[in-house]
Amino acid sequence: AQKITQTQPGMFVQEKEAVTLDCTYDTSDQSYGLFWYKQPSSGEMIFLIYQGSYDEQNATEGRYSLNFQKARKSANLVISASQLGDSAMYFCAMSVGGYNKLIFGAGTRLAVHP
Amino acid sequence: SAVISQKPSRDICQRGTSLTIQCQVDSQVTMMFWYRQQPGQSLTLIATANQGSEATYESGFVIDKFPISRPNLTFSTLTVSNMSPEDSSIYLCSVVARVGETQYFGPGTRLLVL
Repeated sequence: AQKITQTQPGMFVQEKEAVTLDCTYDTSDQSYGLFWYKQPSSGEMIFLIYQGSYDEQNATEGRYSLNFQKARKSANLVISASQLGDSAMYFCAMSVGGYNKLIFGAGTRLAVHP
Repeated sequence: SAVISQKPSRDICQRGTSLTIQCQVDSQVTMMFWYRQQPGQSLTLIATANQGSEATYESGFVIDKFPISRPNLTFSTLTVSNMSPEDSSIYLCSVVARVGETQYFGPGTRLLVL
């Protein structure tokens, strides 16, 4: 069965520091995609970064990078130089089977302190 | 990325009534989905909205409770029927422009059922 696990219900980080949000996944498919979304208190889901299962290099998007370790089935999000506006819920998600349907983890609430 | 709007943005409804949520995209997209996010929970896929045919529902969701229409490539509706307080959630539509591309979400509809 496909599953996404986020073991950190909450994290806090000092402004300007880096933080890693953990995500592990389980699938028997060879082809899949891994996504991270940010959900501020307004409720919208903001796409941050994507990693394909066949991508050999870790994805990066500005201050976001995805630490993809395929053998360990982990896809951790690294946020560098945290900002107060980064305070939000962060969801890891997986698409399988080429159908673009997403399976979400439980989420991690990040608080950035000044 | 596509610009996605949802109407209404929020609503308070009485139990036993129905609410139709609209999702409009500013460009044609291949795939449209509807998700539910119950309070304090992660996102769960309700169904894939298929253009010109019946939606494809996930386990635990049925057409009688959540009828979905998708008359064209830019518009879809989700109806929450015979509502109960357990239907209080954020309902989000999402789109994929082309198969395999990133999935983007609308701003969501916050529903409270009394």
